[in-house]
Amino acid sequence: AQTVTQSQPEMSVQEAETVTLSCTYDTSENNYYLFWYKQPPSRQMILVIRQEAYKQQNATENRFSVNFQKAAKSFSLKISDSQLGDTAMYFCAFMKEYQGAQKLVFGQGTRLTINP
Amino acid sequence: KAGVTQTPRYLIKTRGQQVTLSCSPISGHRSVSWYQQTPGQGLQFLFEYFSETQRNKGNFPGRFSGRQFSNSRSEMNVSTLELGDSALYLCASSFTRGYTDTQYFGPGTRLTVL
Repeated sequence: AQTVTQSQPEMSVQEAETVTLSCTYDTSENNYYLFWYKQPPSRQMILVIRQEAYKQQNATENRFSVNFQKAAKSFSLKISDSQLGDTAMYFCAFMKEYQGAQKLVFGQGTRLTINP
Repeated sequence: KAGVTQTPRYLIKTRGQQVTLSCSPISGHRSVSWYQQTPGQGLQFLFEYFSETQRNKGNFPGRFSGRQFSNSRSEMNVSTLELGDSALYLCASSFTRGYTDTQYFGPGTRLTVL
């Protein structure tokens, strides 16, 4: 079974700083997808970024980028120029690729606080 | 395009009762998945429906069930509620043309069992 581990339960940085959230996963699959979701205090789960395992290029979305190391099974999220609105729980998630596979396996989350 | 909607947003029930939660996916999305979120267990997959068929089910007792309608709207039902069923229940939809696709979440239904 796939597992996802986020080793940092909590992190705190100052506004405008850069922060990196760690995620490792365990799978025997070769084709899969990785996601980062954020969950602010409103509890709405919001997609931050997605990475396909077959793509070597790291995904980026504005201030958010990932460092995907397939051999090491590592998938970290970097937030540049952090903003107060980035304060949230961040979840790393795994989904294997085959027809009909829509099950996300989540890590335990990292609570990120951006301080003014 | 409107996002995933879930109703009701909050529910309070007592042990032994049953509850039905509703989820309306993003227009055009045919897959609906349900997750339970608790402080102790984190986010756990309940089940997934596509074209009115359950394709995938998590490790939950039979008290948890669901269905999907022809318009892709989905409901989940929990019978004989237990205190441990108190949780945030999240619904997610994806377009899925037959392959794995990104899931977009609704705001959740917070269920409290007294």
